[in-house]
Amino acid sequence: GQSLEQPSEVTAVEGAIVQINCTYQTSGFYGLSWYQQHDGGAPTFLSYNGLDGLEETGRFSSFLSRSDSYGYLLLQELQMKDSASYFCALGRTDKLIFGTGTRLQVFP
Amino acid sequence: DADVTQTPRNRITKTGKRIMLECSQTKGHDRMYWYRQDPGLGLRLIYYSFDVKDINKGEISDGYSVSRQAQAKFSLSLESAIPNQTALYFCATRGDRYTEAFFGQGTRLTVV
Repeated sequence: GQSLEQPSEVTAVEGAIVQINCTYQTSGFYGLSWYQQHDGGAPTFLSYNGLDGLEETGRFSSFLSRSDSYGYLLLQELQMKDSASYFCALGRTDKLIFGTGTRLQVFP
Repeated sequence: DADVTQTPRNRITKTGKRIMLECSQTKGHDRMYWYRQDPGLGLRLIYYSFDVKDINKGEISDGYSVSRQAQAKFSLSLESAIPNQTALYFCATRGDRYTEAFFGQGTRLTVV
């Protein structure tokens, strides 16, 4: 089977940098994605890593290391609007399997 | 109009009743998914479909069934609802195995 583990909660202050980790156990996948979900809303796509290394999209970056079964989402210059839940997701065959989610709270 | 539309948005039903949640999309995607979200458990895959003739079970399919009526429509049914099926349900579509998923706004289902 496959499982993805994330910290349940992370807190930070505005302007700071925060890293949300995702560790996984699976035997083969196409890539690791990250999604953001605000309270009461639907998940929305943030970033995708098909290959090992760092992908940067504005204030958000995502990293994947297949050898370490590990990835992370890096959020820089945190803003209050970044308070949300963040999910990593593995693309395996045609399934998309999500992690347990990390709730990020940004304080002034 | 939203690309992925779920109906109803909220529903309260009684134990033992049959209920159908509907999803339609205008993205033209072949891949459609149903997920269930519970606090602390993330999004768990119930069923997924590649086309009208291809339906696959996900992690937690027991107690659920689906129908892919057309490329654009994918319905989830609870044949006999039970209280532990109370959850937030999301439909999603994807163009291929490498690209992002697009989610509907969710259906909040309460079984009493």
